[in-house]
Amino acid sequence: KAGVTQTPRYLIKTRGQQVTLSCSPISGHRSVSWYQQTPGQGLQFLFEYFSETQRNKGNFPGRFSGRQFSNSRSEMNVSTLELGDSALYLCASSLRDTEKLFFGSGTQLSVL
Amino acid sequence: AQKITQTQPGMFVQEKEAVTLDCTYDTSDPSYGLFWYKQPSSGEMIFLIYQGSYDQQNATEGRYSLNFQKARKSANLVISASQLGDSAMYFCAMREGLDTGRRALTFGSGTRLQVQP
Repeated sequence: KAGVTQTPRYLIKTRGQQVTLSCSPISGHRSVSWYQQTPGQGLQFLFEYFSETQRNKGNFPGRFSGRQFSNSRSEMNVSTLELGDSALYLCASSLRDTEKLFFGSGTQLSVL
Repeated sequence: AQKITQTQPGMFVQEKEAVTLDCTYDTSDPSYGLFWYKQPSSGEMIFLIYQGSYDQQNATEGRYSLNFQKARKSANLVISASQLGDSAMYFCAMREGLDTGRRALTFGSGTRLQVQP
């Protein structure tokens, strides 16, 4: 069974631009969560989607948004990029009734 | 207050020895879950072990076991017979409100484990 797939693996953008990251969950998983990892703040929860609906949202500004498609694939978008948005963005998926979250390898975003 | 505290920024262990990574947590929710993840330099978070707050026995997964002391609010990870491939960052995490559908994990700051030959 294929794991969680995130694309692209690396991304370089400049301040003010916007970016879209993609996540394909494990087949059959309907819940997708996004996390941001930085050296200073560690791992922080961004949001979680289930059946195309956002169920939970972390404490991030409105520049961070996401969506989930009917095939459970998810995208997250960051508009008006700031230097502080440089981070590893991790996506995780899970089955509804299990407690395990399975993570992808992440997208390393660098904002110059 | 920190919800997850990992007090060991770095640990060294000799190959084939056992090592304990500490984790304490803070919650008033009676229903919660505790996780340990391994993050090698590649970046992927690898699930290791899970313990639910109502589980009576300590969780075990191969060489990994979780020493769950509910009254002390600690959930230490024990790795038996360390291998060179165990060198990585280890994160303790908690999910509160298991019965409310919340799925956000709160992570600790991590412990970097280095296994020496």
